[in-house]
This record gives sequence, C-alpha cells and structure tokens, in this order.
Amino acid sequence: QITLRESGPTLVKPTQTLTLTCTFSGFSLTSHGMGVGWIRQSPGKALECLALIYWDNDTRYSPSLQSRLTIARDLSRNQVVLTMTNMDPMDAATYFCAHFDWVLSFDHWGQGALVTVSS
Amino acid sequence: EIVLTQSPDTLSLSPGERATLSCRASQSVGSNYLAWYQQKPGQAPRLLISSASKRATGIPDRFGGSGSGTDFILTISRLEPEDFAGYYCQQYAKLPWTFGQGTKVEVK
Repeated sequence: QITLRESGPTLVKPTQTLTLTCTFSGFSLTSHGMGVGWIRQSPGKALECLALIYWDNDTRYSPSLQSRLTIARDLSRNQVVLTMTNMDPMDAATYFCAHFDWVLSFDHWGQGALVTVSS
Repeated sequence: EIVLTQSPDTLSLSPGERATLSCRASQSVGSNYLAWYQQKPGQAPRLLISSASKRATGIPDRFGGSGSGTDFILTISRLEPEDFAGYYCQQYAKLPWTFGQGTKVEVK
C-alpha cells in the first residue's frame, strides 16, 4: 500500500525559504519508471506541477519556477524534500506530493500541506 | 509547454444524467499520455483515468476516457451523488507536465 505524507511549516514570511518534506512508504524510489512529484494548488485555482524526481535521481522543474526550486531525495529515510526560495504571498497554496509511474502519472497523493505566506 | 484547455468550466447536471467533459491540447499528446483526476473540496486529487482510456484501480466503470492526439473526453455515464466534484486533465507526455484549468460538475 503506497502512502505519502507532506510536512513542513504552515506559515512562512516573504523572502524566506520554504522546505517541505514528503515521507513515503509502500514503494522504492529506485524502482524503474517511478518517482515523486510536487504539485501545488492556489486557493480556487488549478493544479501546477512544480518538480519531479525520478528513480534514477534525475530531476525536472517547472520552467517558470526552476531558479527557486530544488527537489532531493533521502533514500535512507524514504523522504523527498522540496525547497522553494524567496517565498512571495503569491506562493500561498496547498502543496501536494504524489507518487508517479511514467505510464500511470500521479497515481497516489498525499493529503496536502497548506502554506501561507505573510509577514 | 503543452497547454490543456478544458470545457466547459462548469457543468450543471442532475443525478443519473450523463456528463461529458472535454480536454483539448495545444499540441499532440504523445502516446496518449493523458490522465483525468477527480478532486473534492479539501481533498487531494484522485486518479481516474490514465493513458487516455485506462481506468485506475478501483474506479467504477461509469467513468470512461477516450480520445487521442489533441482531443480527449471524460464521460460519466450516470452521475452518482458522489461524482459532483472538480475534474482535471493532465498530460505527462512532455515536460513540463501540465494540467487543465478544471471542470466543475455541479448539481442542477
């Protein structure tokens, strides 16, 4: 059974760096064809794919946010960490992590972490 | 990047009716790597359909996906009360992966 859970601060100040952790179970992040992604959803808005990390540790980012994002894995802890620098109130959103399979896309999701950006 | 445009924005229907949701891509989606998700308020999206037409595990057969190239359809044959929700399409053929803006299926 695949599960994922996001954790991190609920409130960050403008210009600060956001660090979110996705703790997962039920799969190996080194299994061919699999990976973990981060997706966000601003209030009342559509979903936006931020970053992907693949089984071979390849990483991909949203072109519009690439300069601010880093995704990394810790296999010993079954975790994937997303950092986003220079946070702005426009970055307030629910941040989801999700398991993906390159044939199925995002087939298992965490419950989401709501992040507010305010001084 | 591939832009996905969903229509309509809102679909007002009654339980038991058929729902037809559209997703149009700005360029061809290779291998028909197009997924559909259902999202209810306060919840994470749930995968319904992958590869344009393959139902995910545990998804009822009243949900069906079709289409290829740039035009895709999600059909709900007979709406159940629990089907009133938001629906998103997503392409995973070409980076960056992108989502449509969503269609809300509401009770008429």
